[in-house]
Amino acid sequence: GDSVTQMEGPVTLSEEAFLTINCTYTATGYPSLFWYVQYPGEGLQLLLKATKADDKGSNKGFEATYRKETTSFHLEKGSVQVSDSAVYFCARAAAGNKLTFGGGTRVLVKP
Amino acid sequence: KAGVTQTPRYLIKTRGQQVTLSCSPISGHRSVSWYQQTPGQGLQFLFEYFSETQRNKGNFPGRFSGRQFSNSRSEMNVSTLELGDSALYLCASSLDRVDYEQYFGPGTRLTVT
Repeated sequence: GDSVTQMEGPVTLSEEAFLTINCTYTATGYPSLFWYVQYPGEGLQLLLKATKADDKGSNKGFEATYRKETTSFHLEKGSVQVSDSAVYFCARAAAGNKLTFGGGTRVLVKP
Repeated sequence: KAGVTQTPRYLIKTRGQQVTLSCSPISGHRSVSWYQQTPGQGLQFLFEYFSETQRNKGNFPGRFSGRQFSNSRSEMNVSTLELGDSALYLCASSLDRVDYEQYFGPGTRLTVT
């Protein structure tokens, strides 16, 4: 079935460090792919999306490229801030509006 | 534009009781989906409603049900609550079934004692 696998956390970084969170998905068709972010006590916020191979989604300094050949959608940010501390979820769309999520990666950025 | 709203934000219930959670989508959005978030199972899809009809259902027992009203507002109901139903229940809305951008509400934190 549909599944999404992302690296386990926590990931601890210093401010201004480079962040990468790996995400791979099962290749059933050509699903839309998403990254969501969840801050403590809140719901999920859509961070970025890509709908077809080689698409690059970007927002707030975060980027991810839809790689069909490696079934990956890794999230990157060149210089993280303390405010980027959160849990990040990779997701793929399935039939209709069903989203399948990865397990989430907690990121902690220290000043 | 107002975001997705969910009520109540927090709820404490006893085993065996039932509970109803409410979700108001972003104005103009016609699709509403529900997800359960727990530390052990992560985020799991419950069901999706569009035009007052359930269009998709996740792998949850029949104790979990929902409905959607003509104004796109949605409710989900859990009957005969179990301790394992303690979770954050998230509602998400999207413009329609073609537009996959889903916007989430803050969630309802349900605790079953």
